[in-house]
Amino acid sequence: NAGVMQNPRHLVRRRGQEARLRCSPMKGHSHVYWYRQLPEEGLKFMVYLQKENIIDESGMPKERFSAEFPKEGPSILRIQQVVRGDSAAYFCASSPGRHSPLHFGNGTRLTVT
Amino acid sequence: AQTVTQSQPEMSVQEAETVTLSCTYDTSESDYYLFWYKQPPSRQMILVIRQEAYKQQNATENRFSVNFQKAAKSFSLKISDSQLGDAAMYFCAHHPTGGTSYGKLTFGQGTILTVHP
Repeated sequence: NAGVMQNPRHLVRRRGQEARLRCSPMKGHSHVYWYRQLPEEGLKFMVYLQKENIIDESGMPKERFSAEFPKEGPSILRIQQVVRGDSAAYFCASSPGRHSPLHFGNGTRLTVT
Repeated sequence: AQTVTQSQPEMSVQEAETVTLSCTYDTSESDYYLFWYKQPPSRQMILVIRQEAYKQQNATENRFSVNFQKAAKSFSLKISDSQLGDAAMYFCAHHPTGGTSYGKLTFGQGTILTVHP
């Protein structure tokens, strides 16, 4: 049973470009979460999605960031017009439902030059 | 809002010895989980151990055990018979289970554990 798959593993973008981070949850998991880890810090919650619905986006920056989890295909975290402060590791996690532990992917390291 | 504090930025231990990592938290939630995650240089987040707040018995997973003091809001991790492969960053995390907070883990700042041969 494959784990949570994130790609790309590393992503380099110039300031002003768009970054698209993909997450395929574990088989049978319909709940997806995105977290961001800044250097030397713990992970911080960004958004919680179920298929086609955003459940909680209280941790998402108000501008430039968006997330989706379509009926078919992976969840996408999209960052428009990236700035250097967006450089971080972005982790996706999934669970089969409530009261189940989250399973994390290996993260995507975004570097903005 | 929840807060999680790990007061030890770095810890070290000799191989085969025991080390304890500290974690305190603050929450207004009555129902929650607490976790310890391990993050090696590969960046993978590995669940080490989990504790349900309603359980008085401390969780144990092989060489890993916790000391959960609910009233004191303390959740320390003990690693026995330390191995070189235990070297990593360790994160304590609080996970409320009620309402729409599900899935919104709050992590501590992390403790870097070094294991000396």
